[in-house]
Amino acid sequence: GQQVMQIPQYQHVQEGEDFTTYCNSSTTLSNIQWYKQRPGGHPVFLIQLVKSGEVKKQKRLTFQFGEAKKNSSLHITATQTTDVGTYFCAGKKDTGRRALTFGSGTRLQVQP
Amino acid sequence: DAGVIQSPRHEVTEMGQEVTLRCKPISGHNSLFWYRQTMMRGLELLIYFNNNVPIDDSGMPEDRFSAKMPNASFSTLKIQPSEPRDSAVYFCASSLTGNSNQPQHFGDGTRLSIL
Repeated sequence: GQQVMQIPQYQHVQEGEDFTTYCNSSTTLSNIQWYKQRPGGHPVFLIQLVKSGEVKKQKRLTFQFGEAKKNSSLHITATQTTDVGTYFCAGKKDTGRRALTFGSGTRLQVQP
Repeated sequence: DAGVIQSPRHEVTEMGQEVTLRCKPISGHNSLFWYRQTMMRGLELLIYFNNNVPIDDSGMPEDRFSAKMPNASFSTLKIQPSEPRDSAVYFCASSLTGNSNQPQHFGDGTRLSIL
């Protein structure tokens, strides 16, 4: 089946440091979404990328979709304690299953 | 606006018992998804409905699991009989359409513990 892998699984940073999580698919994706889940909470939609090479920004967060549409990244500049949580990518294959497949997630811990 | 509403929030029961989880999607949303989340397996899609019709149930682990959506505002996920390995957080999500480019809105989840 479709594999959507995320690295790293876990990252611990000092407040103010940058953070990046990477999402890789074994197949071409038609689109990719990013979600954030706070500890004890539920996933919350952040953004969607559709075009090859697309880059979108939300304040300190920068999202990128690879040229081949097989990978994506989320970069947080100058992390804050409010960034703590697990970040998931979710992708839809160009063919086959119609629903999104969620990645394994990257858990971010920010030390004040 | 009300989001996706799940009940119960927590359920603790003994193995062998029937468990029923409930979900009310956002009004006007035509697609509904059931997920299971565990540390080991992450967030897994169990089944999803479009216009109350099951579209893909390939993620349902086994025959002990069943899901229904009798109308546009209600869905259930049943486990019968339950086993300790079913312990997980079960999320329901809805989206405007079944198109994968629609954001999914998740409920608060049901934390299920099978003893």
